[in-house]
Formats: sequence, C-alpha cells, structure tokens
Amino acid sequence: EPEVTQTPSHQVTQMGQEVILRCVPISNHLYFYWYRQILGQKVEFLVSFYNNEISEKSEIFDDQFSVERPDGSNFTLKIRSTKLEDSAMYFCASSEDRVAQPQHFGDGTRLSIL
Amino acid sequence: GDSVTQMEGPVTLSEEAFLTINCTYTATGYPSLFWYVQYPGEGLQLLLKATKADDKGSNKGFEATYRKETTSFHLEKGSVQVSDSAVYFCALSSRSHMNRDDKIIFGKGTRLHILP
Repeated sequence: EPEVTQTPSHQVTQMGQEVILRCVPISNHLYFYWYRQILGQKVEFLVSFYNNEISEKSEIFDDQFSVERPDGSNFTLKIRSTKLEDSAMYFCASSEDRVAQPQHFGDGTRLSIL
Repeated sequence: GDSVTQMEGPVTLSEEAFLTINCTYTATGYPSLFWYVQYPGEGLQLLLKATKADDKGSNKGFEATYRKETTSFHLEKGSVQVSDSAVYFCALSSRSHMNRDDKIIFGKGTRLHILP
C-alpha cells in the first residue's frame, strides 16, 4: 500500500537555526498537510496546501514557517529560526480528495530544539 | 470552533475484555468522523471512518457509529488483544469557512494498555 514518507525521523537542531522537514506524499494525492504534536498533547493542524499554494493555516503557522513543493514529489516544511517551543513531532499528510478520502499520515519527524 | 472530546486515559484492560472509548464532537455542518491509532514509535494510522449520520465504520474488529443525535462516535471492540495497545485519537474533518480544505481536528488521545 502506498505510504507517506518523512525524513529525517529525528532532527536535533540548535535554537535559532533553520530546519527543513521533508515529506514525500502519496503520488496521486493532490492535497497536502502538516500537523504537529507536542509531547503529551493533541495533534494540531498547521497548514494545508493545494495547487501550489497554501489553502489554510493555523495561528501556529506564523512568519517563521513556510511550506514548499519544490518538485513533483517532495513537500517541505521550513522553520526559519527555531525556538525551544518548536520541539514536537511533525506529521505530514496527504489526501486524494478533500471531501471523500481520508488523510494519510507519515510516521513523523521528531524535532528537538536545544 | 469545531472540537473533539474523548475520554481521558490511560485505559487498562485485560486481554479479551470489551473496549469502549467515548468520543463526542462539536461541529458546524456535517463533518466526517475518524478514529486514528498511533502504535508505540509509529505515526498516525487511519483505523476507521464514517462520513454521514448512522454510518458505521469498522476495521480490525473495531467499530464506531456516527450518531448525529448525540454528536458521538464511540469506539468499541468486543475482545481486545495485547497488540491493540496504542494511543487512539478521535477526529473530525472540519471544512474551513473558505470551503477549500478539510483539516483534521483531533481529540487529545486515549492511551490503551492491554494486559496479557
């Protein structure tokens, strides 16, 4: 069964550094998402992306965050200047259709900010 | 805004016990409802879904029925196994006011421990 793949599985970064989290969505999917889960808390929506532009973003997704689909397969989340509170598990998801089909999630990237 | 409330964990049961994890939601319109499962060290996997009232989602012995009258989507399994130990998230798809995308809104998760 096709999967959403995320790399790296664990990223350790110094506070203030830029970090890029990478995702390869399922190949025929058109809608892409990032979520995050701070340790012990609920999974929270960050941003959705369709047709090469952001469709919706949450209040968490401030100017330090950006997303990009640089080629036909990758979908990236960049945090420009990381803060301690950015430490979390970041999940990428994709779906074929925004209405009838569910979102499929990757295994996540654990981001640790030192 | 839309929200999901699910029972606090952890829930500890013996193998072959009956499982219920309660979930209620608040939403405008007609959301789709989901249960996702997160096994230790892994990502989120879709367990089952229901897209309209009275639909029953089922998978791997788990069931949940979309109850619009009680705004609930309780997860049940008749006989749990040790391998069911995981965190279970109730969730709904929430269409934005722009009507462009369905972001998922999750509950806080319920950790389930099954003892052999």
